[in-house]
Amino acid sequence: RKEVEQDPGPFNVPEGATVAFNCTYSNSASQSFFWYRQDCRKEPKLLMSVYSSGNEDGRFTAQLNRASQYISLLIRDSKLSDSATYLCAVNGRDDKIIFGKGTRLHILP
Amino acid sequence: DVKVTQSSRYLVKRTGEKVFLECVQDMDHENMFWYRQDPGLGLRLIYFSYDVKMKEKGDIPEGYSVSREKKERFSLILESASTNQTSMYLCASSIGGEGSSYNEQFFGPGTRLTVL
Repeated sequence: RKEVEQDPGPFNVPEGATVAFNCTYSNSASQSFFWYRQDCRKEPKLLMSVYSSGNEDGRFTAQLNRASQYISLLIRDSKLSDSATYLCAVNGRDDKIIFGKGTRLHILP
Repeated sequence: DVKVTQSSRYLVKRTGEKVFLECVQDMDHENMFWYRQDPGLGLRLIYFSYDVKMKEKGDIPEGYSVSREKKERFSLILESASTNQTSMYLCASSIGGEGSSYNEQFFGPGTRLTVL
């Protein structure tokens, strides 16, 4: 099992819809979880940290499921500007942060 | 806001040239990282540093070296550039010292390097 895995997508979602994607991780001892957003040909930017109790920021909700070892990102009322690649990041066995390869999201008008 | 800057957005070099990529952060972060990002391969860690004059190999250090003489600056060096080093290079920093790699990382804008 890879340390961090994401469905590469693309997810094609109509504007206004709700979309969710997951990121699975293999290290049961992982403590740090993040979601990043990356626009085409730009750098990843931190979207939100994921806490044990979950995290919500406006239309974005991140959750952690330790039992099944995945984190999720839910986007409500999606906007055209949400189109991007979403990377998850988790601390690995050697304590370095491991990034997933990303899930591409296309919001359709 | 954390600001991480990289010396060039685009760079074109010839095979065999020595290439320097510089990264500067202005938030007094202890940790700094160099990644390359290629389509389908995601972000791959080249080198990282938890303190001045300290460096640790990442997952793909071959063909690269680094220098950290000052806390705010972390340089990536390609000793003899090759075409397979054509890539997007991203620098990142995070707060905390050695062993505190759990913190979120903040990225620079990237340098798109083409080696001909």
